Amino acid sequence: EVQLVESGGGVVRPGGSLRLSCAAFGFTFDDYGMSWVRHAPGKGLEWVSGINWSGRSTEYGDSVKGRFTISRDNAKNSLYLQMNSLRVEDTALYYCARQGGTSATLGWFDPWGQGTLVTVSS
Amino acid sequence: QSVLTQPPSVSAAPGQKVTVSCSGSSSNIGNNFVSWYLHLPGTAPKLLIYDNNKRPSGIPDRFSGSKSGTSATLGITGLQTGDEADYYCGTWDSSLSAWVFGGGTKLTVL
Repeated sequence: EVQLVESGGGVVRPGGSLRLSCAAFGFTFDDYGMSWVRHAPGKGLEWVSGINWSGRSTEYGDSVKGRFTISRDNAKNSLYLQMNSLRVEDTALYYCARQGGTSATLGWFDPWGQGTLVTVSS
Repeated sequence: QSVLTQPPSVSAAPGQKVTVSCSGSSSNIGNNFVSWYLHLPGTAPKLLIYDNNKRPSGIPDRFSGSKSGTSATLGITGLQTGDEADYYCGTWDSSLSAWVFGGGTKLTVL
C-alpha cells in the first residue's frame, strides 16, 4: 500500500526552528517529485515547497522562501522540511504529498499523508 | 486572496448535480493542467481529478472535470450526504513558479 507518514510537528516559539519528516512506503520513492502543503486553521490549502526526484531542483512558496528548506534522502525513502525563523502565521497542519511525476512543478498530488501539526506560539 | 478563484460555498439536494468553478489566468490554468481535491479538515486531502478531466482509480464517475481557457469546472452528480467536504482546484503557476490552489468551496448536501 502506498503510504506517507509525517512526523516532527510540535509547539515552538516565534523565531524557533523545527524539522519535519515524511516517510514513504509502498512505491519507488526516487521515481517521484514530492511536496509539502499546509492547511492553517480557517484557511485554504497552501503549497509550501516541492522537490524533484533527485533533490537537485527545489521550489518554494513566497511566504516561506529564505526560511524553509526542503530536502530528501532517497536511500531512506524520506522527505524533510527544515523550518527556521518560524512565525505565528506558520501555524498549520503540514502534509507531504507525492507528485504525479518526477518533477516538483508538474502533475498532481496523490497520495497525501495524514499531516503533522505545527503550532507557533509564545 | 487566492490566485485561483472558487465560490466559497455551493449546495444542492441529495441526488442532484452541482458544479464548482475555478477561475485563473494564462499563467496558471490557461497553460497548465488542473487537478481537484476533496478535503475534510484534519484528514488527508484526496485527489479526485487530474490532468483537467482524468479520474484516478477508485474515484466514481459521478465526479468529472473540464477546462476551458482560463477556467476549470468540477462536476458532481448523484449527490450524497457523504460528499459534504471542501473542494479545491490546483495547478502550477508558471509566472509565480509555484503551485497555487483555489480558496476552497464548501459543499453542503441539503
